[in-house]
Amino acid sequence: QMHLQESGPGLLKPSETLSLTCSVSGGSVSDYYWNWMRQLPGGGLEWLGYISYSGSTNYNPSLETRVSISIDTSRNQVSLSLTSVTATDTAIYFCASAGGPYYFSHLWGRGALVTVSS
Amino acid sequence: DIQMTQSPSILSASVGDTVTITCRASRGVSTWLAWYQLKPGNAPRLLIYHASTLESGVPSRFSGSGSGAEFTLTISSLQPDDFASYYCQQYTSHYTFGQGTKLEIK
Repeated sequence: QMHLQESGPGLLKPSETLSLTCSVSGGSVSDYYWNWMRQLPGGGLEWLGYISYSGSTNYNPSLETRVSISIDTSRNQVSLSLTSVTATDTAIYFCASAGGPYYFSHLWGRGALVTVSS
Repeated sequence: DIQMTQSPSILSASVGDTVTITCRASRGVSTWLAWYQLKPGNAPRLLIYHASTLESGVPSRFSGSGSGAEFTLTISSLQPDDFASYYCQQYTSHYTFGQGTKLEIK
């Protein structure tokens, strides 16, 4: 049974860069596409972007100037970077696996809470 | 982007009830729609994909229907574990989610 675990700093200051890692166990990052989503304090879910097992990416147009997703097959990890954060980036960040581009996410991690505050 | 409108935002029900949540798309998404269950502190759970296909391991009291721009998630004979938040998601063009429905105990 594959398991996903998000990790990274939980508190950032405005203008800093958010960096999160999704560690995959019980499966290989080379077998799936990988999505990052976030749940904002009001409850809304927002898709940030995806990366394929070969490294091709696609990002939410509203965030694409600040977001970057990478994959490390040797460590079986997927990473998210979001630059120049503000308080509006405070959210729970989730990684999730998918069978292809623009496909449903069949397995999610528990999420990582990131708070942006001065 | 395709906007997803979910209703109701809050739904109060009792154990044993049958409830329905509706999701409308701003334009047709065929059957490229999924439903997820979210509980605080837990990994979100895929319930339904392709509008009506039950994910493996999900109880049969969950069902989905619809195509084009209007979809429903029905939960029959509510169990205590079902009180959670539910979200629809289209995956035909980028990904967008409905604003969620919180199912609470009456």
